[in-house]
Amino acid sequence: DTAVSQTPKYLVTQMGNDKSIKCEQNLGHDTMYWYKQDSKKFLKIMFSYNNKELIINETVPNRFSPKSPDKAHLNLHINSLELGDSAVYFCASSSRDRGYEETQYFGPGTRLLVL
Amino acid sequence: AQSVTQLGSHVSVSEGALVLLRCNYSSSVPPYLFWYVQYPNQGLQLLLKYTSAATLVKGINGFEAEFKKSETSFHLTKPSAHMSDAAEYFCAVSGAGGTSYGKLTFGQGTILTVHP
Repeated sequence: DTAVSQTPKYLVTQMGNDKSIKCEQNLGHDTMYWYKQDSKKFLKIMFSYNNKELIINETVPNRFSPKSPDKAHLNLHINSLELGDSAVYFCASSSRDRGYEETQYFGPGTRLLVL
Repeated sequence: AQSVTQLGSHVSVSEGALVLLRCNYSSSVPPYLFWYVQYPNQGLQLLLKYTSAATLVKGINGFEAEFKKSETSFHLTKPSAHMSDAAEYFCAVSGAGGTSYGKLTFGQGTILTVHP
């Protein structure tokens, strides 16, 4: 059983398009995250939701909008895609109520290429 | 504020040799420290974590790491490298509370190559 899944795995699109990436976790966790890994493999947190509430919102362009319909899902919508948005986007989840040291479990990533 | 520095973007060892991947951190609150491994075209998998209990932490696949507060280090070691250890390794830090809570800050990664 897949713990944290993302769709699609690959996404190739044109500049200016709008696209969404979906994430689902079946671990019963209450907190979910989006990370961006750039071409140099540098990983940076973008957003985090706890029980559908936004708790971390890093300096990310307004074109990126996360949406959490329930605790098990966190989707990422990107408007007006730019070349610089090309990256691997990772979803992760954890259980905040188990304590500060909670482990984040990562999905397989979505490889976005903007042409 | 928190940050992680991984010394050496590439480390190459022979099969059977000692693996040492270096990680230094800074954190304004007591840190929680993690090592993740990423195989090509895959997600990140947790190797081990330090959460203020024992300073020597054992993880999966024979890896271990020692938390040294005086040196602000959390180096990853494995006594004998295996070909299957070839991957990219990321050190990460999060804080025990405040604005650092739940926010993993990653190092830039170290690519481990294992030669036969």
